[in-house]
Amino acid sequence: TQLLEQSPQFLSIQEGENLTVYCNSSSVFSSLQWYRQEPGEGPVLLVTVVTGGEVKKLKRLTFQFGDARKDSSLHITAAQPGDTGLYLCAGLSNAGGTSYGKLTFGQGTILTVHP
Amino acid sequence: EPEVTQTPSHQVTQMGQEVILRCVPISNHLYFYWYRQILGQKVEFLVSFYNNEISEKSEIFDDQFSVERPDGSNFTLKIRSTKLEDSAMYFCASRLGLRRGYNEQFFGPGTRLTVL
Repeated sequence: TQLLEQSPQFLSIQEGENLTVYCNSSSVFSSLQWYRQEPGEGPVLLVTVVTGGEVKKLKRLTFQFGDARKDSSLHITAAQPGDTGLYLCAGLSNAGGTSYGKLTFGQGTILTVHP
Repeated sequence: EPEVTQTPSHQVTQMGQEVILRCVPISNHLYFYWYRQILGQKVEFLVSFYNNEISEKSEIFDDQFSVERPDGSNFTLKIRSTKLEDSAMYFCASRLGLRRGYNEQFFGPGTRLTVL
């Protein structure tokens, strides 16, 4: 069974601060997706990282995939109250092998950015 | 922009009753999934569906669960005899393909199932 450990579970910071969320696993994933989920809604895809060592930027958000494709991080620069929400990482299993691409989710990080 | 839709948004049922949750995936997608999220817990994979058959299922997806794509657009999850512990948000997701660049999963807004 593949597991994805996401940390921290809760993060409460002031506007303008930087933060990093981590996802770690002992398993290799073919890709890793980051989602944001609002209360009562479905996860909304932010980014997919595929190649080991890949870095993607989405405005103030920077996503990195570990060289061995077992871990990933989300870094937010100068956080704003609008960044408040639940952030989820999800690893995609080996597509085309024995798996048809199920996602294994981390526990999620609840981020609160205070004005 | 195309999106995954789900109905109903909230379903309340009595224990032992059958429920059918409905999803309309993005129209040209080929792979379909159901996930669930019990309140305060992780999103968990239930089942994947491709080419009109189940391609993978988790231990949660026992004989009480079934999936169907009855026509070209709908994708349904049926729970035959609901239990209290089936209360959760159920998310449908779809994906265009498996190859790089096509393997992103898009989620619907979810159906909140409450079993009394």
